[in-house]
Amino acid sequence: DGGITQSPKYLFRKEGQNVTLSCEQNLNHDAMYWYRQDPGQGLRLIYYSQIVNDFQKGDIAEGYSVSREKKESFPLTVTSAQKNPTAFYLCASRSSRGDVSPLHFGNGTRLTVT
Amino acid sequence: AQSVTQPDIHITVSEGASLELRCNYSYGATPYLFWYVQSPGQGLQLLLKYFSGDTLVQGIKGFEAEFKRSQSSFNLRKPSVHWSDAAEYFCAVGAPSGSNYQLIWGAGTKLIIKP
Repeated sequence: DGGITQSPKYLFRKEGQNVTLSCEQNLNHDAMYWYRQDPGQGLRLIYYSQIVNDFQKGDIAEGYSVSREKKESFPLTVTSAQKNPTAFYLCASRSSRGDVSPLHFGNGTRLTVT
Repeated sequence: AQSVTQPDIHITVSEGASLELRCNYSYGATPYLFWYVQSPGQGLQLLLKYFSGDTLVQGIKGFEAEFKRSQSSFNLRKPSVHWSDAAEYFCAVGAPSGSNYQLIWGAGTKLIIKP
């Protein structure tokens, strides 16, 4: 079955360390997204990519970085510059060809930084 | 600017009772509209979507939603809830740009089911 795989499910890091969250999809989708979710808030867009080797900042990109070297993969690095990195991170993808299509989500990575 | 409001942070419903979750948006034209559901610690699953056409949309798990342009609303309904419906529900609104869009998300409504 096609889907989006995020790993690991739980991640613990010390303050000052960079950490990379993995997102892989086998849906053949062109567009991929990273969202941050905090309790009581909606999803906030960190970065998105419409095509390989290209990506754009979302609403809260500061302290994060991404790469899109392959269509299937869109890793997110949470850098030490991110002031409050503890959160639930969701990766999503969708087809951007043809008709309008909805986002498909992975199961998320919960990052705890102490 | 676009915005999405889900006025109810929590809703408690008895099992077997009907459900309506509210979603209001602010946007100058007809947006793309979505409802997603999230179980604890999981990703989001699409329940239903509205792009154009019939304003009453049927989704998975027995849910439906109605787009009311005059009220800028896209409320989610289910005639009889089951304990397995306990989850958090998110409304999202997208400004169309061809087949592309960027989503604005509501803050979510947590559904609690009383036995």
